[in-house]
Amino acid sequence: DIQMAQSPSSLSASVGDRVTLTCRASQNISDYLNWYQQRPGKAPRVVIFATSNLESGVPVRFSGTGSGTHFTLTISSLQPEDYATYYCQQSYAIPRTFGQGTKLDIK
Amino acid sequence: QLQLQESGPGLVKPSETLSLTCTVSSGSISISHYYWGWIRQPPGKGPEWIGNIYYTGSTHYNPSLKSRVTMSVDTSKNQFSLKLTSVTAADTAVYYCARWGLHNVFDIWGQGTVVAVSS
Repeated sequence: DIQMAQSPSSLSASVGDRVTLTCRASQNISDYLNWYQQRPGKAPRVVIFATSNLESGVPVRFSGTGSGTHFTLTISSLQPEDYATYYCQQSYAIPRTFGQGTKLDIK
Repeated sequence: QLQLQESGPGLVKPSETLSLTCTVSSGSISISHYYWGWIRQPPGKGPEWIGNIYYTGSTHYNPSLKSRVTMSVDTSKNQFSLKLTSVTAADTAVYYCARWGLHNVFDIWGQGTVVAVSS
């Protein structure tokens, strides 16, 4: 299985901050990397697919980069609704695997 | 807009079979190029992919669960289902159904259903 490692596991930041979350794959997954946002008690929702593509309806302050084994999700200016847990997920191989998440909370 | 809704018992006894159904509304399950999946999330942990099914019945399962998992689809009811046998406390989780879309991503999710395994 391809292991997905996210860092940091938690991050405190203020409204308006620029934050970058990292995801590393245990092997080359090209650009087959998705990011999901999960608010407490809710289902995950996709924010970025295929490394850098913004899902419809997601604010442009979200962006994704990377390739191979190293990927990042950046939020350019944190808004109150962005406080959530973010998961990366590889779609390169079966089984589809997720990272353990980065919890973003208010500083 | 397409919606998914999970249904099934919230409590299952150890060694028994967990059975869940996902009902797809405002759209057809019999659409080319889309798969339908199950994902679970134990308390405080990241999601775990269980498997995907195509409307023809073709399946892909997580090897770690493959011996205990069966997924099926009922196109006449616009539903797909999950059966997980011989459950233990480790199977306690929120279970989600979701659509695996054209961009190789789970793009639409159900709200999730809590399943606890306990005697």
